[in-house]
Amino acid sequence: AQTVTQSQPEMSVQEAETVTLSCTYDTSESNYYLFWYKQPPSRQMILVIRQEAYKQQNATENRFSVNFQKAAKSFSLKISDSQLGDTAMYFCATRGSWGKLQFGAGTQVVVTP
Amino acid sequence: GAVVSQHPSRVICKSGTSVKIECRSLDFQATTMFWYRQFPKQSLMLMATSNEGSKATYEQGVEKDKFLINHASLTLSTLTVTSAHPEDSSFYICSASLRGAAYEQYFGPGTRLTVT
Repeated sequence: AQTVTQSQPEMSVQEAETVTLSCTYDTSESNYYLFWYKQPPSRQMILVIRQEAYKQQNATENRFSVNFQKAAKSFSLKISDSQLGDTAMYFCATRGSWGKLQFGAGTQVVVTP
Repeated sequence: GAVVSQHPSRVICKSGTSVKIECRSLDFQATTMFWYRQFPKQSLMLMATSNEGSKATYEQGVEKDKFLINHASLTLSTLTVTSAHPEDSSFYICSASLRGAAYEQYFGPGTRLTVT
């Protein structure tokens, strides 16, 4: 079984600033993947970043980076140089060997001018 | 990334009728498709997993006779909500992937169902 916990319902950040979203998870699988998805007001799910659990190096995609702490089962997302277009709901998710995604409750990020 | 479409994007139906939602992978062959349900300001809840050519696997608490899923080809899966009731009103999202955890899931744009 997999569980994902996002403890921040909403985060507000000013343009050009940095915000960090927290995520903790639990899984019984040894080989799994971790993801951050973004869901803007259009409600289209967009993959932000992914991390293979067997890789120690933290994934980075442009302004988005993760801090993956495997022993602590923590997978936080840092958004640098925030832009207005980053305003969205962000979901942390795990995926195990069966391919099913388990999502957290989500964190609403609001970027203000 | 690959493109997944859903049709219709919005549908309104009367209580007691059935409605079908289509999910298509446009530029790849999807061996596995997933159906999710999302209530306002909530997360995605997996309803079922369908593999091409076999019966769908439903998550606990999801009525398989109410939510009929067919995955007849590698590019098309359908979700039929039978005898719809107002409580079935929700946002339904599909995703498609090749089989296995290593493969990406590509999401459709979602379908908003309103049952009156």
